[in-house]
Amino acid sequence: DTGVSQDPRHKITKRGQNVTFRCDPISEHNRLYWYRQTLGQGPEFLTYFQNEAQLEKSRLLSDRFSAERPKGSFSTLEIQRTEQGDSAMYLCASSLGTGEGNTEAFFGQGTRLTVV
Amino acid sequence: GESVGLHLPTLSVQEGDNSIINCAYSNSASDYFIWYKQESGKGPQFIIDIRSNMDKRQGQRVTVLLNKTVKHLSLQIAATQPGDSAVYFCAENPLYIPTFGRGTSLIVHP
Repeated sequence: DTGVSQDPRHKITKRGQNVTFRCDPISEHNRLYWYRQTLGQGPEFLTYFQNEAQLEKSRLLSDRFSAERPKGSFSTLEIQRTEQGDSAMYLCASSLGTGEGNTEAFFGQGTRLTVV
Repeated sequence: GESVGLHLPTLSVQEGDNSIINCAYSNSASDYFIWYKQESGKGPQFIIDIRSNMDKRQGQRVTVLLNKTVKHLSLQIAATQPGDSAVYFCAENPLYIPTFGRGTSLIVHP
């Protein structure tokens, strides 16, 4: 499978614990995005990388959230001291950025986080 | 603030009918738009895109229309099938970041 891969698919954690999710984008894609989606809503943008540089962060990304893309390939999203309100689907997407402008973003299957 | 929105939250059609899903956008700087399909428990799946220098683009059984004058997008699905049942999102892509509206749930009755 050469699409966007996310791990784990499901995560149940106790409130206050830290969790980390991984995203492997499509191999030649230089742009990587993280989104959060709750039931009945569209995906909400969290953060965006161009290669290893984190270029944009949403106000939704509180201090408890941190994302990295150390070598410009895979990315991790960590949530510290999880709260019940963090329960959501966390989606990763990647796209091929070119000098021509925007290209389509392809999404992974997401990581479903449940905080109990 | 500026946003992407959808006119109808739910659309019910009979199998074999044509479906039309509408989307309004308000960011006049948007020059690229994407339609995604999302099935329950899965990530959004790319369907078709269109750039602002076009007003129509066709794919397999799908057509996207763009009316820049009234800032409106539509997705037309021909001969709708039960497998088309899903939530459909339009996304605008200013500054390289896809921005989504709430979505329209398409229900196809056999």
